[in-house]
Amino acid sequence: QQQVKQSPQSLIVQKGGISIINCAYENTAFDYFPWYQQFPGKGPALLIAIRPDVSEKKEGRFTISFNKSAKQFSLHIMDSQPGDSATYFCAASKGTYKYIFGTGTRLKVLA
Amino acid sequence: GAGVSQSPSNKVTEKGKDVELRCDPISGHTALYWYRQSLGQGLEFLIYFQGNSAPDKSGLPSDRFSAERTGGSVSTLTIQRTQQEDSAVYLCASSSVGARGDTQYFGPGTRLTVL
Repeated sequence: QQQVKQSPQSLIVQKGGISIINCAYENTAFDYFPWYQQFPGKGPALLIAIRPDVSEKKEGRFTISFNKSAKQFSLHIMDSQPGDSATYFCAASKGTYKYIFGTGTRLKVLA
Repeated sequence: GAGVSQSPSNKVTEKGKDVELRCDPISGHTALYWYRQSLGQGLEFLIYFQGNSAPDKSGLPSDRFSAERTGGSVSTLTIQRTQQEDSAVYLCASSSVGARGDTQYFGPGTRLTVL
């Protein structure tokens, strides 16, 4: 029940395309859902986050869609760029600092 | 300002040896976290420090793992009698207060290889 399942494991997208990464959870007590972006040799960095009281949050080209009833949330990267090539992690927490991370999606955007 | 720093960046050791990994959090951050990132896996929570409170050690995989935080700042993660399965990237993060939604800022990690 503590798991966060992330898919796909890897993703290749053409420049200008839409990248979509999905996460699913079981624990309905989770109340905070951040996405982290990690470049090779670097630590993860917070990209965008959402709480379950909204269904969508957009920041620039990055959008989180949240489906509370399905217990799923996804990251959409619009107009994907080669500079977006990185590993993306979703995470969830329930009222505390302790994040449960997904296994990551390696995104490659072709020029 | 300076971000979270970790040292060493890479550590190669022999099975059975002890290792110490260091983390310098962002100045003023009271919360500090250690995670382990194994190949093809997500980040696994290890331990959490918040101010002077007792640390949350619930993620430490065995009693060979320990961590301390001196003076509410620098932290050291110690792995005793290392095993090959300990090979991973060890990430440290800090946040201002350690509450839900409080952004965790990660260091670059220490890549540990146990031969």
